[in-house]
Amino acid sequence: EPEVTQTPSHQVTQMGQEVILRCVPISNHLYFYWYRQILGQKVEFLVSFYNNEISEKSEIFDDQFSVERPDGSNFTLKIRSTKLEDSAMYFCASSGDRGLSNEKLFFGSGTQLSVL
Amino acid sequence: AQSVTQPDIHITVSEGASLELRCNYSYGATPYLFWYVQSPGQGLQLLLKYFSGDTLVQGIKGFEAEFKRSQSSFNLRKPSVHWSDAAEYFCAVGARGSQGNLIFGKGTKLSVKP
Repeated sequence: EPEVTQTPSHQVTQMGQEVILRCVPISNHLYFYWYRQILGQKVEFLVSFYNNEISEKSEIFDDQFSVERPDGSNFTLKIRSTKLEDSAMYFCASSGDRGLSNEKLFFGSGTQLSVL
Repeated sequence: AQSVTQPDIHITVSEGASLELRCNYSYGATPYLFWYVQSPGQGLQLLLKYFSGDTLVQGIKGFEAEFKRSQSSFNLRKPSVHWSDAAEYFCAVGARGSQGNLIFGKGTKLSVKP
C-alpha cells in the first residue's frame, strides 16, 4: 500500500527557533492535512490544504503556523517561533478526494517535535 | 461542544478472546464516524468508517463497528483477537462537508495476552 512519508522521525529544537516539518504525501493525492498529538492528549486537527490554499484550519493553527507545498512532492508545516507547548507528535496525512466521505486519509508515522 | 470519549485507556485480552472497544460521541448532527489503529512506530490506519445506511459496518482485519444513534455510540468489535492486534485504537468523528477536520478520542491501548 502507498505510504505518506515524514522526516525526520524526531526533531529537537530550542524555544524560539523556527522549525519545518516535512512530509511526502502519496503521489496522486490532492488533499493534505496536518494533525498533532501532545503526549497523553488527543490527536488534534491543525489544517487541511488543497490547490495551494488552506481549506480549513483549527484554532490551534495560529499565525505561528504555516503550510506550503513548495514543489510537486513535499508538504511542509512551519512553526515560526517554537514554544514549549508545541512539543508534540505531528502527523501528516493525504487523501485523493474531497471531504471525509469520499476517501480515506492516509497518515504518516509522525515527527516527534521536542522543544527545549 | 463536539467530543469523542473512549472510556477505556488500556484493555488487556487473551488471544482468541472477543474484543469490544467503546466509543461515545457528542455531536450536533449525525457525524461521520471512524476507527483508526496505530501500531508502534506507524501512522494511523483506517479500520472502518460509517457514513450512512447499515449501522453495522465491516472493516479490515476482521473488525466491525455498530453505530447506535440512541446511545451516541460507535463501539468496535472483533470476535477473536490475534496477538498482532495489539496497538492503540482511536475513534474519531467528522462533520459532513468537512475537509479533514476529525475529532479524535484519546485512544484505547490494547494488549493481547498469549
